[in-house]
Amino acid sequence: GQQLNQSPQSMFIQEGEDVSMNCTSSSIFNTWLWYKQDPGEGPVLLIALYKAGELTSNGRLTAQFGITRKDSFLNISASIPSDVGIYFCAGQIQGAQKLVFGQGTRLTINP
Amino acid sequence: KAGVTQTPRYLIKTRGQQVTLSCSPISGHRSVSWYQQTPGQGLQFLFEYFSETQRNKGNFPGRFSGRQFSNSRSEMNVSTLELGDSALYLCASSSGQGAFPEAFFGQGTRLTVV
Repeated sequence: GQQLNQSPQSMFIQEGEDVSMNCTSSSIFNTWLWYKQDPGEGPVLLIALYKAGELTSNGRLTAQFGITRKDSFLNISASIPSDVGIYFCAGQIQGAQKLVFGQGTRLTINP
Repeated sequence: KAGVTQTPRYLIKTRGQQVTLSCSPISGHRSVSWYQQTPGQGLQFLFEYFSETQRNKGNFPGRFSGRQFSNSRSEMNVSTLELGDSALYLCASSSGQGAFPEAFFGQGTRLTVV
């Protein structure tokens, strides 16, 4: 089946550091989405990307839709304690209605 | 606009029992998807319903089933519960069509099987 490879699986950083994570696939995507999940809660949509090359920011978060349409990355600048959680990428493959999710990146921040 | 509502939030069941979980999507959304999340794991896709029809299905045994009503509310049923079914069950609501496939999640139902 279709797969999204999300990396890294986990990150341990110091407060104030910048964070970068990405998702890649062998399939072409029409849409890329980035979610954040706090412990015991449902994922919350952070950023949606619709066009190849698109770069979108949401506060300290920046995400890009790769030119090849097969990848996306998420950057978090100047991390703070509330950034802790699991980040998921998701995408809609060209021609399909279903969303495919990455395996998540668990972010831990040392104060 | 009200968000996605899942009930109950927490549930404890015994092995062998069955359970029904409920999800009310965002008003106007016609697609509801269900996911299972075990500790430290990603989102495992169970199935998706669109306009009362199952449109997509994951690789779960037949003990896991669902349905969607005419008002788009969806239920998920798990029969003959096993210990390994303990998980956070999430539903996601979306329009299900068009160029904007964003899915919005509920808070989940935490199921514990003892």
